[in-house]
Amino acid sequence: GDSVTQMEGPVTLSEEAFLTINCTYTATGYPSLFWYVQYPGEGLQLLLKATKADDKGSNKGFEATYRKETTSFHLEKGSVQVSDSAVYFCALSARGNQFYFGTGTSLTVIP
Amino acid sequence: EPEVTQTPSHQVTQMGQEVILRCVPISNHLYFYWYRQILGQKVEFLVSFYNNEISEKSEIFDDQFSVERPDGSNFTLKIRSTKLEDSAMYFCASKGDRTGDTGELFFGEGSRLTVL
Repeated sequence: GDSVTQMEGPVTLSEEAFLTINCTYTATGYPSLFWYVQYPGEGLQLLLKATKADDKGSNKGFEATYRKETTSFHLEKGSVQVSDSAVYFCALSARGNQFYFGTGTSLTVIP
Repeated sequence: EPEVTQTPSHQVTQMGQEVILRCVPISNHLYFYWYRQILGQKVEFLVSFYNNEISEKSEIFDDQFSVERPDGSNFTLKIRSTKLEDSAMYFCASKGDRTGDTGELFFGEGSRLTVL
């Protein structure tokens, strides 16, 4: 069945470090891919998305490219800030109305 | 900005008791969902709801679970007889409006259920 596998956490980085959180997927057809973020005490919020192969989603300095050949959608940011500390979830939607999430990766950025 | 709201934020209950978790989706959204996350595990799909009926459900969503949209604004999840393993964070989400479907799910802040 459809599923998402993302990098285990927790991840701890110093401010201004480079971030990569790996995400790979399994799906039939052509899914849309998403990264959601959950800040402490809040619900999940959409961070970025890509709906077809080679699309790059970007928002708030974060980027992820839909790679069909490697079935991946890795999240990257060139220089993290303390305010980026949160839990990040990779997700896919394969049939429009059904979403599958990864386990979440907790990121802590220290000054 | 419109948002999905959930109540209660935290509920503690005894095993075997009934629990109702409430959600107010974004108005004019058409698709409604419940997900849950057991501590340290994946966000798991429970059920989706469209056009006043369940459109899809997972194997987790057994006869102990039910959903209802009683009044056109609320969307509730009922667990009839809670078990210890029902302890989790339950998220409500909604999607889609009448002007087009962006594909984005909008989530509430979650309701933490603790079953003792």
